[in-house]
Amino acid sequence: ETGVTQTPRHLVMGMTNKKSLKCEQHLGHNAMYWYKQSAKKPLELMFVYNFKEQTENNSVPSRFSPECPNSSHLFLHLHTLQPEDSALYLCASSRTTGSSYEQYFGPGTRLTVT
Amino acid sequence: SQQGEEDPQALSIQEGENATMNCSYKTSINNLQWYRQNSGRGLVHLILIRSNEREKHSGRLRVTLDTSKKSSSLLITASRAADTASYFCATDAKSERANNNDMRFGAGTRLTVKP
Repeated sequence: ETGVTQTPRHLVMGMTNKKSLKCEQHLGHNAMYWYKQSAKKPLELMFVYNFKEQTENNSVPSRFSPECPNSSHLFLHLHTLQPEDSALYLCASSRTTGSSYEQYFGPGTRLTVT
Repeated sequence: SQQGEEDPQALSIQEGENATMNCSYKTSINNLQWYRQNSGRGLVHLILIRSNEREKHSGRLRVTLDTSKKSSSLLITASRAADTASYFCATDAKSERANNNDMRFGAGTRLTVKP
């Protein structure tokens, strides 16, 4: 257990569905991240929040919509996804942003878009 | 954009042997981190090495950093079957918006340790 939880662990959705991924951290961290991990590709940073403010949007399509209501919770709202969006979505947190701090990862949500 | 790039992509060794994985990067960095990931799970932080450090140890792990060659290596000594996992390096990549040196990960090295 890393102190970062993600729900659901597995999700299958059609291209017209709307769903949300949830991440919660119990570490008192101020920064939270969404990553996408596809087979045999580098881990892709999607969004970064620090003190609830979005500090990075790595050219992510608008069908992915993040929400950070407080420093402990992070959501990823999904709508009209494409099959190529199928991947493992990882949430992470750290004390604050920057490379001096290690990131703590959740177990991920395995998303399949049909 | 990707910053670190691991080599080799896959490595298979026998239990008890040493495993060496390499990471190369393109731009100057402040810090470099190594992570481990068991199949289908989240990443776990292993070690952080700063740009002014050349070597760090943690248990059976030894990390080196050569800033002149823009490369790092992770050595796992006396490997065990439980070391089977993917290993990633992560380095700074300057973020234009926040001026934070957020990290970027490579594609990883898949290590298999045979019992």
